[in-house]
Amino acid sequence: KQEVTQIPAALSVPEGENLVLNCSFTDSAIYNLQWFRQDPGKGLTSLLLIQSSQREQTSGRLNASLDKSSGRSTLYIAASQPGDSATYLCAAPHMDSNYQLIWGAGTKLIIKP
Amino acid sequence: NAGVTQTPKFQVLKTGQSMTLQCAQDMNHEYMSWYRQDPGMGLRLIHYSVGAGITDQGEVPNGYNVSRSTTEDFPLRLLSAAPSQTSVYFCASSYSSSMNTEAFFGQGTRLTVV
Repeated sequence: KQEVTQIPAALSVPEGENLVLNCSFTDSAIYNLQWFRQDPGKGLTSLLLIQSSQREQTSGRLNASLDKSSGRSTLYIAASQPGDSATYLCAAPHMDSNYQLIWGAGTKLIIKP
Repeated sequence: NAGVTQTPKFQVLKTGQSMTLQCAQDMNHEYMSWYRQDPGMGLRLIHYSVGAGITDQGEVPNGYNVSRSTTEDFPLRLLSAAPSQTSVYFCASSYSSSMNTEAFFGQGTRLTVV
């Protein structure tokens, strides 16, 4: 069964720094991996979806990479801003069921002004 | 576009009561699902549907019922609320059931069972 882990659970960095969030998965035969953002009291917003045939995806200041051989995905945030403060979650399809995502517990990111 | 709409946003129930969480999407998505989110844990799938009239169980289905009579609506019913069902519930939809398209989420329902 696919397991998804996000470490650390929380991260605090000064505004303007570049940072990397980590997501590890156990089954390298992964179809895709998605990164989401969750603001307090709000739903989740999809940020990036990386297919297994891709190595990375970019959207504005965000860049997500996927390395199946090492079982790792990273979300790179450039020139961080206070508005980037949120919880970031990653999710991958359940390998035995195409209809289910397996989720990491998330990394709570705080950008200090 | 309204996207995915969940109601209510907050609810307090007494143990043993029943209620229905509503979820509607206006994107003509075939796949809809319900998750619960508990502190320190990833989202866990309760039930899902790949189209009108088709539903199936997820990882934690006990104590919950669903139906999908239309493409737009996917209500979640708590049959007899228990304190262990205190959680934040999210409804999600996506265009494809193959999990390779973007997922859209509602704002969530914070449920407390006392």
